[in-house]
Amino acid sequence: NAGVMQNPRHLVRRRGQEARLRCSPMKGHSHVYWYRQLPEEGLKFMVYLQKENIIDESGMPKERFSAEFPKEGPSILRIQQVVRGDSAAYFCASSPDQTSGRGQGEQFFGPGTRLTVL
Amino acid sequence: GQNIDQPTEMTATEGAIVQINCTYQTSGFNGLFWYQQHAGEAPTFLSYNVLDGLEEKGRFSSFLSRSKGYSYLLLKELQMKDSASYLCAVRSYGNNRLAFGKGNQVVVIP
Repeated sequence: NAGVMQNPRHLVRRRGQEARLRCSPMKGHSHVYWYRQLPEEGLKFMVYLQKENIIDESGMPKERFSAEFPKEGPSILRIQQVVRGDSAAYFCASSPDQTSGRGQGEQFFGPGTRLTVL
Repeated sequence: GQNIDQPTEMTATEGAIVQINCTYQTSGFNGLFWYQQHAGEAPTFLSYNVLDGLEEKGRFSSFLSRSKGYSYLLLKELQMKDSASYLCAVRSYGNNRLAFGKGNQVVVIP
C-alpha cells in the first residue's frame, strides 16, 4: 500500500510567482490535511479537506493561499504571488474515515514539498 | 486555543533510556500523538494515548495524565537511528487537526 505521495519534493519560485503543491492520500483515506513547517518551528495546521469539501481552513492565511481536494485527482495547495516568508516545508497528511473503525485517527504524513522563494 | 510545550534538545548514549516530556493546554482533549521526524523527512507515527496510563510498543512507551496535561515518550535501548526530532501533538473534540509542539531533538552518541 503506497504511502502519502507529494510532488514536487522541491520547488523553487521567484517572488510573485505561483506555487502548486500536490498530495495524493493513502489508498482508502478520505481525509487530507496540510501543514507548514518553518525552520526551527513545529508543524502548523493549515487546512483539512475531504473530497470536494473544505472542512476546516482555520490555519490558512486569509490571502494568496487556497486548497482543494477534487472528486478525481490529488489535493492541491496553491500559493499565489509567493513571498520570501512562504519558504517552508509543506506536509500533507491523510487519515481514514474514523467511522470505519480503523485506527485511532492517526494521520500519515507524506515526504513534504520544500518550497524556496528567491 | 492550544498550547503545547516540549524541551528542545537532549543528548543520550547508545543503549541508554531517554524520556521526552510534553505538556499541553487544550479544551476538549481528544487524544495525544507522538511522531518521530528525521531531518528532511516526513513525521512517522509512533504512539497514541487518549486514556490515562502507559501504552507500550516495543522499545517505545508513551504515558498520559489528562488531569496534569502531561505526556512523556520513553525510548529504551537507544540506537543510533533513534537520533531524530520527537513531536508531540494534541487533538481536540470537534475537529481532526493536530496541534504540534516544536519537537524535541534527541541526539544519540556512541
